Amino acid sequence: GDSVTQMEGPVTLSEEAFLTINCTYTATGYPSLFWYVQYPGEGLQLLLKATKADDKGSNKGFEATYRKETTSFHLEKGSVQVSDSAVYFCALSDLRGSTLGRLYFGRGTQLTVWP
Amino acid sequence: DGGITQSPKYLFRKEGQNVTLSCEQNLNHDAMYWYRQDPGQGLRLIYYSQIVNDFQKGDIAEGYSVSREKKESFPLTVTSAQKNPTAFYLCATQGGSSVAPDASTDTQYFGPGTRLTVL
Repeated sequence: GDSVTQMEGPVTLSEEAFLTINCTYTATGYPSLFWYVQYPGEGLQLLLKATKADDKGSNKGFEATYRKETTSFHLEKGSVQVSDSAVYFCALSDLRGSTLGRLYFGRGTQLTVWP
Repeated sequence: DGGITQSPKYLFRKEGQNVTLSCEQNLNHDAMYWYRQDPGQGLRLIYYSQIVNDFQKGDIAEGYSVSREKKESFPLTVTSAQKNPTAFYLCATQGGSSVAPDASTDTQYFGPGTRLTVL
């Protein structure tokens, strides 16, 4: 079945450091891939998405490229800020699968950025 | 602003009681979802509904019930049969038509969540 495996945290970085959070997936169909971010005590916010192979999603300095050959969708940011401290979730949605529209989530990666 | 509202933000329940969590949306989205979040476990799907008057069990439906009488509303009841209900509950919606899925409508949007604590 469909699933997402995400790099375990917590990840602790200094401000302006480079960030990578790894995400790989297993899917039977042609999934769309997502990164969501969750700030303390809040719901999830969509950070970026990609709907087909080789697409790059980007937002707020974060980027992720849909790599079908390696079934990966790693999240990167060149220079993190304290305000990026949050939990990041990788997810996939397979509109053509048997469970239309549902999201499969990774376990989340806690990122803490120190000034 | 609108979007998706969940109430209450915090809810306390005594053992043996049923409680209902509210989820309302004004996005005119067909599909709605309930997830449960526990520390270190990501999000797990409880129930989802593609259209009014229809819903399906997710991965952890035992001890929960839902209804979808209106497009805008998808309340979740946590029953006394749910053995460990303390968690953060998230409601989500997804746009587009369940009859004609479209890749551009595959994004889910989340409410602010309800934190349920069993005393």
